[in-house]
Amino acid sequence: AQSVTQLDSQVPVFEEAPVELRCNYSSSVSVYLFWYVQYPNQGLQLLLKYLSGSTLVKGINGFEAEFNKSQTSFHLRKPSVHISDTAEYFCAVSKRGTGGFKTIFGAGTRLFVKA
Amino acid sequence: EAGVTQFPSHSVIEKGQTVTLRCDPISGHDNLYWYRRVMGKEIKFLLHFVKESKQDESGMPNNRFLAERTGGTYSTLKVQPAELEDSGVYFCASSHETSGSYNEQFFGPGTRLTVL
Repeated sequence: AQSVTQLDSQVPVFEEAPVELRCNYSSSVSVYLFWYVQYPNQGLQLLLKYLSGSTLVKGINGFEAEFNKSQTSFHLRKPSVHISDTAEYFCAVSKRGTGGFKTIFGAGTRLFVKA
Repeated sequence: EAGVTQFPSHSVIEKGQTVTLRCDPISGHDNLYWYRRVMGKEIKFLLHFVKESKQDESGMPNNRFLAERTGGTYSTLKVQPAELEDSGVYFCASSHETSGSYNEQFFGPGTRLTVL
């Protein structure tokens, strides 16, 4: 069965520091990979996605992620975070099954950016 | 263009009561999905509609949950009777129909359900 593991449940970091949120997935076939963000009291927003092509994917708000097939990882990075990046981040995979595409999420990583 | 909308944004009910959540997908999107996140856990797939047909309901937790999409437009998710463990955030998503490559799922803001 498909699974997504986010290795850190909480990540505290100081403003302007770099951050990496880790994500590993299990799959023996091609999948599509995503990072979503949920700001306090808001819905899920797509940060970036990997469907094919270049393994380095750039998203909104200065975030990027690198697809590493050999390590089955899709870690999210930002070189310098802001207070406004405080949110919960979800790694997800989507795979076609018999009924269509289904998205499988990790448990989420809470990013706390401190002044 | 309006995104996926969900109603209500919050619902607080007593154990044993009934609650109905509504999702309006993006206009023209044939695919509609329901997901749920219970406290501290991952967001989990509940079911998938293609137009008015249930394509995959493998994630529905039990028969207290009933999802409908009459007419292939908006969808409702009814919980009857609600139990404490049903508390969580219910997300809806929609996407274009496709027979080939992936089409992005657009998520709504979620409905936060609290069962007391």
